[in-house]
Amino acid sequence: DAKTTQPTSMDCAEGRAANLPCNHSTISGNEYVYWYRQIHSQGPQYIIHGLKNNETNEMASLIITEDRKSSTLILPHATLRDTAVYYCIVYRNYGQNFVFGPGTRLSVLP
Amino acid sequence: DVKVTQSSRYLVKRTGEKVFLECVQDMDHENMFWYRQDPGLGLRLIYFSYDVKMKEKGDIPEGYSVSREKKERFSLILESASTNQTSMYLCASSAPGTGTYEQYFGPGTRLTVT
Repeated sequence: DAKTTQPTSMDCAEGRAANLPCNHSTISGNEYVYWYRQIHSQGPQYIIHGLKNNETNEMASLIITEDRKSSTLILPHATLRDTAVYYCIVYRNYGQNFVFGPGTRLSVLP
Repeated sequence: DVKVTQSSRYLVKRTGEKVFLECVQDMDHENMFWYRQDPGLGLRLIYFSYDVKMKEKGDIPEGYSVSREKKERFSLILESASTNQTSMYLCASSAPGTGTYEQYFGPGTRLTVT
């Protein structure tokens, strides 16, 4: 299984872009990169996912390097409500389960 | 609005008790999951089910069992609760299909075993 590595914590000023990195150097060609977040006392929430190309939705952008060994989640204008733990997950292509690591605790500061 | 609900937000049980955690989803999803979450360990998969009466072990199934009698309901059972099962338990559901694998999570049940 591909493993992911993320920083333990990051700070970001309110209104600025938050760039959350993730390394997944052993990812296989048919494995997707997914991002979830978990706000305190809530269940995790899906943000975005991608395979090779960069992706954007109403919540965030996902930039995947050409070699697919790393990716970056971008929150373009972080707000205080974006304070959460962010999980980068590589989807195993057998079975139907994710592996959630410890994630990155993002603190958006006023 | 899609919904995954869990029977309790907080639960306190004694060692040796049989504990039932219930999860219900209203999205007609085939797949359902039970995770536990502990500080510093992230989420760990206990069991999952991809159809009624089907179940598969996740990464840490020891000490747990599950039941899926109806599509919308997935129960996690602690046959004899122990203190090391004190944790936050999260249920999730998803629809199958390649390319998109969005899991919807419930709010969680914080279980304390004393």
